[in-house]
Amino acid sequence: DQQVKQNSPSLSVQEGRISILNCDYTNSMFDYFLWYKKYPAEGPTFLISISSIKDKNEDGRFTVFLNKSAKHLSLHIVPSQPGDSAVYFCAATINNAGNMLTFGGGTRLMVKP
Amino acid sequence: DGGITQSPKYLFRKEGQNVTLSCEQNLNHDAMYWYRQDPGQGLRLIYYSQIVNDFQKGDIAEGYSVSREKKESFPLTVTSAQKNPTAFYLCASSRQGAARKLFFGSGTQLSVL
Repeated sequence: DQQVKQNSPSLSVQEGRISILNCDYTNSMFDYFLWYKKYPAEGPTFLISISSIKDKNEDGRFTVFLNKSAKHLSLHIVPSQPGDSAVYFCAATINNAGNMLTFGGGTRLMVKP
Repeated sequence: DGGITQSPKYLFRKEGQNVTLSCEQNLNHDAMYWYRQDPGQGLRLIYYSQIVNDFQKGDIAEGYSVSREKKESFPLTVTSAQKNPTAFYLCASSRQGAARKLFFGSGTQLSVL
């Protein structure tokens, strides 16, 4: 049973527009969430994170929103650029040392010029 | 430059054969991890090690074995008991107690002949 789900396997967006990637989780114990970005034939790289004490975290063009009551988080990319084309993984954990990340299945984002 | 090196990039396994995937890091991280990526399923944890000479099973350890004789190295052996080994394997590392901030290698694609 997947505890972290990304229900959209792919998303296509025009350059300059907003990209919204969604992630749902079922484990109410999760209190720290991350987004990783992965290019083909490379390992994922950390993008942005959010603690459950916040509902929003912003870093440049990237903003993550957390809705704890809905067990839902989203990543907004504004404006989208062709270099953002990649697979984005949502991950969650319980914020204690030794707890591992649980990853979603990923969403492939394609930003068209 | 500090980083994680995985080799080989591509690997083929014959029926009944054991193969070993290499992972070396020079980030001075205490913890190291092996993940498996299958299409649409995200990253699943195979084994992890938080300190030299110690390791724990992850969610899908059956058919795999690891060793951690040196801080820098965490090789993964895919044994003949692993009936569906075709996947993209990712090694990662983190500081002690920071399992949420992973640094990944560029991965090994394992295929069965």
